[in-house]
Amino acid sequence: DAGVTQSPTHLIKTRGQQVTLRCSPKSGHDTVSWYQQALGQGPQFIFQYYEEEERQRGNFPDRFSGHQFPNYSSELNVNALLLGDSALYLCASSSAGDLYYEQYFGPGTRLTVT
Amino acid sequence: GDSVTQMEGPVTLSEEAFLTINCTYTATGYPSLFWYVQYPGEGLQLLLKATKADDKGSNKGFEATYRKETTSFHLEKGSVQVSDSAVYFCALSESVNTNAGKSTFGDGTTLTVKP
Repeated sequence: DAGVTQSPTHLIKTRGQQVTLRCSPKSGHDTVSWYQQALGQGPQFIFQYYEEEERQRGNFPDRFSGHQFPNYSSELNVNALLLGDSALYLCASSSAGDLYYEQYFGPGTRLTVT
Repeated sequence: GDSVTQMEGPVTLSEEAFLTINCTYTATGYPSLFWYVQYPGEGLQLLLKATKADDKGSNKGFEATYRKETTSFHLEKGSVQVSDSAVYFCALSESVNTNAGKSTFGDGTTLTVKP
């Protein structure tokens, strides 16, 4: 049973560029959440997708956008990259039928903005 | 809004020592509480969870009890091993109200266990 997978593993971009990160949820899960983890800090909630729609959003600017596909996989897009966007981006999947929202995390994508 | 506060680290212990990592929370609803562990270069792994007051979560010798009266969820282990060295995150998720499905994390506590 494959767990949560993310691609790419590492990414280096220049300020002002755009980036797309990808996530495939654990088998049987239909909900995908994205988190930003800066060095030495806890993950910060970006947004959550369910049924191909954004269901919850954290305090992130509109430069951060996402998408969920019919197969439940998801993309995170960040436009006009800033140096401060350098972080580990984590994808987590869960089942909407799980009342307690137990989440399973992927290994993350390390984004470096230069 | 929701928040999670963990004891500041880093924490350094000798093998077989007793571990406590404090965690307190603020939530508007009835959250579930979690401890996650993160090893270097990896994502987060769920260590244990508790979904209602007085529940005790346990796994791999780690335990934490959901204390609603003190809004706490302290992580404990009776005898740590070198392999327990990692960063530990306390987190909450609300299952109702407008925050349903959104997880809030503490800043993490780095544990180093020396042989």
